[in-house]
Amino acid sequence: GAGVSQSPRYKVTKRGQDVALRCDPISGHVSLYWYRQALGQGPEFLTYFNYEAQQDKSGLPNDRFSAERPEGSISTLTIQRTEQRDSAMYRCASSLSGGASKNIQYFGAGTRLSVL
Amino acid sequence: AQRVTQPEKLLSVFKGAPVELKCNYSYSGSPELFWYVQYSRQRLQLLLRHISRESIKGFTADLNKGETSFHLKKPFAQEEDSAMYYCALSVYGKLTFGQGTILTVHP
Repeated sequence: GAGVSQSPRYKVTKRGQDVALRCDPISGHVSLYWYRQALGQGPEFLTYFNYEAQQDKSGLPNDRFSAERPEGSISTLTIQRTEQRDSAMYRCASSLSGGASKNIQYFGAGTRLSVL
Repeated sequence: AQRVTQPEKLLSVFKGAPVELKCNYSYSGSPELFWYVQYSRQRLQLLLRHISRESIKGFTADLNKGETSFHLKKPFAQEEDSAMYYCALSVYGKLTFGQGTILTVHP
């Protein structure tokens, strides 16, 4: 049915607060990816899942960032004790199957996070 | 580590003129390359990928392994081509993006 859905679309928070960003992938898509995009830059890989298993979290910048996909569908990216440098667009993408470069990644509209 | 470079942040052409958006990559393995596009107020979407060897909306891109390039070309630009274009390299499904080129096509 619908494409990749991300919520909220915009999030403004105060420094030190925790935030949770949600991604609902295309139904049936095995793989789910998180990217972060700073202003004027391209998206940067954070982490990805095949089903519920987190396959690679090498892009998570520090231990304040975590992600889960407990039932192999919806995923949540959590940032604890937010800092101003966390302000960015957070993009989620899903693809049919994992680890295969040929598979197309379909992106959500993104969540714009602003940390004051 | 892999890297993608798009040397032009901004590119302006007039309608009907040829356009080329440059992309260079560095990767020791066999590359899988893509062009993604983001039109105003829309989400990032795939434009084309090198394995398909297809033309989408008049755009083509040829992988040149000798020059490690994957430039995007269109012989006659249209106003509706105005958008942000990202070149991306995929390694085991993880995309590494260039910083993007904003293409503006003037009437």
